Amino acid sequence: GAVVSQHPSWVICKSGTSVKIECRSLDFQATTMFWYRQFPKQSLMLMATSNEGSKATYEQGVEKDKFLINHASLTLSTLTVTSAHPEDSSFYICSARLTGTDTDTQYFGPGTRLTVL
Amino acid sequence: AQKVTQAQTEISVVEKEDVTLDCVYETRDTTYYLFWYKQPPSGELVFLIRRNSFDEQNEISGRYSWNFQKSTSSFNFTITASQVVDSAVYFCALRAGGYQKVTFGTGTKLQVIP
Repeated sequence: GAVVSQHPSWVICKSGTSVKIECRSLDFQATTMFWYRQFPKQSLMLMATSNEGSKATYEQGVEKDKFLINHASLTLSTLTVTSAHPEDSSFYICSARLTGTDTDTQYFGPGTRLTVL
Repeated sequence: AQKVTQAQTEISVVEKEDVTLDCVYETRDTTYYLFWYKQPPSGELVFLIRRNSFDEQNEISGRYSWNFQKSTSSFNFTITASQVVDSAVYFCALRAGGYQKVTFGTGTKLQVIP
């Protein structure tokens, strides 16, 4: 149980285009999902917290107009990188928060490697 | 403020050796949760364990064991009889009670040499 998927697993795009990444919790409902960015050999950097049915909360320094987040259902959150540039190339990871009587844990998707040419 | 320190950047061990990954945390909250995640070369973070601040019992799961000591604010992870498949980056993380955000350490890269 507690499986999170991401699509696509990798994407290459031209500078100036927009890229949408999907994050799905496959076997549980998640009112809260998170989007992280990870540069090579570095830790995870939280970009934003996505709550179902409401606007995402962005971390300081993250441009909300560039990284559009939509959490339209309890199992799906999307991150759209608008007008991507080479500096946006990175590994993007989502997680979904599973809460219950005896648990409160983030489960992570496999990540999406974005390369902007 | 929350902080997680993993002082060991990289560790190399020979297969079958035991290895301990250190994690020291800081928080002012009395209720908090500690986690360990494994990130193999494929990139996907794998959840290993969650421990809340009121449960100081050490835990063993197969070759993995965790030592939680509130007195030293540490949550160390030991792999017994390491295997090549254990090679990965291991992250320790902290979530303070009442907050959704998880603070990650910088990770420890473990390389198990055959």
